[in-house]
This record gives sequence, structure tokens and C-alpha cells, in this order.
Amino acid sequence: DIQMTQSPSSVSASVGERVTITCRASQAIGNWLAWFQQKPGKAPNLLIYSASRLYHGVPSRFSGSGSGTDFILTINSLQPEDFATYYCQQVASFPSTFGQGTKLEIK
Amino acid sequence: EVQLVESGGGLVQPGGSLRLSCAATRYTFGGSWMSWVRQAPGKGLEWVANINADGSEKYYVDSVKGRFTISRDNAKSSLYLQMNTLRGDDTAVYYCAAAPNKYFLDYWGQGTLVTVSS
Repeated sequence: DIQMTQSPSSVSASVGERVTITCRASQAIGNWLAWFQQKPGKAPNLLIYSASRLYHGVPSRFSGSGSGTDFILTINSLQPEDFATYYCQQVASFPSTFGQGTKLEIK
Repeated sequence: EVQLVESGGGLVQPGGSLRLSCAATRYTFGGSWMSWVRQAPGKGLEWVANINADGSEKYYVDSVKGRFTISRDNAKSSLYLQMNTLRGDDTAVYYCAAAPNKYFLDYWGQGTLVTVSS
């Protein structure tokens, strides 16, 4: 199975700052990667698919990049509603696997 | 608006069985891959299983193979997860999710809690 490793596990930032979260796959997955946002007690929401494509309705301050084994989620100009936990997920092969998550906290 | 509503969760003893259901509304269920994803209390997301549109392809995470069975009834726009020989580490919120293009989970239900404990 493909292992997904996210870093950092947690990060603190202030409103207006830029944050980057990385996700590394244990083998090449092309661009078969998604990013999700999850708030406490809620289901995850799809943000980015195919590594860099913004899902409809997601603000443009979110962006994704990368291919192969290394991927980045960037959030520009953090807003209060962005403080949540973020997960990457590979869908290149089944079983699909998620990263362990990155908790974004307010500084 | 697409709605996925899970049901069937609850408290079950180790070794027991439970069947989860997920009902889809306002969604072209019959043409979509569907998945189950779970989240243990305070932990991250774990992909459990998925099934293709006509039910002929199914995939499972190793930890549930031989114990869990995913199925669907397109006439009822419903997805199921039959869980047998349940263990404590199966305790989690179980989400159903829809992948219209097979791969990316666009729509999620609100989740149903399964607790395995004596």
C-alpha cells in the first residue's frame, strides 16, 4: 500500500499569513492526489483534486501543487474560517490512503 | 443539494456484527463509485472500502478484508457496509462518500458512530 506522510503535524499561524503543508507519497502517484479540510465534528470537505485543481466553491486563496511523490497545499492570506485540520489522500491505487493530518491553529 | 445520510451505527460487543446504510438523495447514485471512510475518536481519516457503479468491483483496506462487505442497491440509491467480527479498533465514525469520477470524494455524509465495546 502507498503510505502518505504529511508535515508538519501541526502549525500555528496568524490571520493574513501564508501557510504551506506538504505531503509525500511512498511511491510515485502522478497527480492522483486530493486535499481535504475538516472542522471538529464535521465531515471532510474536498478542496483540491488532481493535485492542483480547485474544487468548485473553494476560495482561490487555496492552491495545490506537485506531482510524483511530493505535494504542497498552500493557503494564502489565512482567514479565521481556515483554522482546521487538513488531509491529503492518494487515489492512484486502491486501497486509497490518507496522510495523518495537519492541524492548523491560530497563533 | 446532494445528501448522503448514514444510519445503523451504535454500540456492539466485540465479535458482533452491524450493518451500516447510506441513503443518497438528489444525486445520480447509479453512475457513481461510492466509498466508506472512518475516523477513530481523536484520530485521522482511514479509507475503508469502495465499490464501482454496478457493484462488480470492490476494494478494501487490509484491516477489514474478510470481515467487512461493501454493497449497494442502485434502485434504492443506497450503499451498505456489513461489518462482522467487530473489534475494538473498529470503533469510529463511519462516513459514506461519493466519487462521481471514481477517484475523488466530492460528497460526504455526516457520519454514523460505531462503538465496539463490552
